[in-house]
Amino acid sequence: EIVLTQSPATLSLSPGEGATLSCRASQSVTTYLAWYQQKPGQAPRLLIYGAFNRATGIPARFGGSGSGTDFTLTISSLEPEDFAVYYCQQRYKWPITFGQGTRLEIK
Amino acid sequence: QVQLQQWGAGLLKPSETLSLTCTVYGGSFSGYYWSWIRQTPGKGLEWIGEINHSKSTNYNPSLKTRVTISVDTSKNQFSLTLTSVTAADTAVYYCARVTLFGSTWNFDSWGQGALVTVST
Repeated sequence: EIVLTQSPATLSLSPGEGATLSCRASQSVTTYLAWYQQKPGQAPRLLIYGAFNRATGIPARFGGSGSGTDFTLTISSLEPEDFAVYYCQQRYKWPITFGQGTRLEIK
Repeated sequence: QVQLQQWGAGLLKPSETLSLTCTVYGGSFSGYYWSWIRQTPGKGLEWIGEINHSKSTNYNPSLKTRVTISVDTSKNQFSLTLTSVTAADTAVYYCARVTLFGSTWNFDSWGQGALVTVST
């Protein structure tokens, strides 16, 4: 199966700062890569699909890039509600797999 | 606005069968895949499998021998059955809708999650 490795495990930043989260795949997933945000006690929420397309209702400060094996989620200027756990996920090959997550915490 | 509401037994003993059902409100049932995903502190998010309205299924090979996902289109429901559970199956289980955006299928709506604990 395709293993997705996210880094860093934890990112400590302040509101207003920019964030860069990485996801590396063990083999190419072309652009079949999505990003999700999860807050405590809630289900994940789709942010980015197809590596760089924002899902409906997702603010423009969220951006995705990359293809093949290396992907990045950027948040241009952190809002208080952005502090959460972020997961990448691939659907290029079955089984569908998720990364282990990056926790974005307030510094 | 589609909503997914899930329910099922929350406490099981080893070797019992896990059964969860998810009802879809406010949206069409056809044209999507309907999936089950679970989450544990140790293994994170794990995709279990999916089904569409035509009852075509895909399963995670790691669980395939124990998993059945079924659908009842008349009730806009889909269900998960996992046999011979062990403590390793203790997790929060989510149902989710899988929607085609462009050329990619994505989990765009989720149920509220259900904690299932396997313990003697």
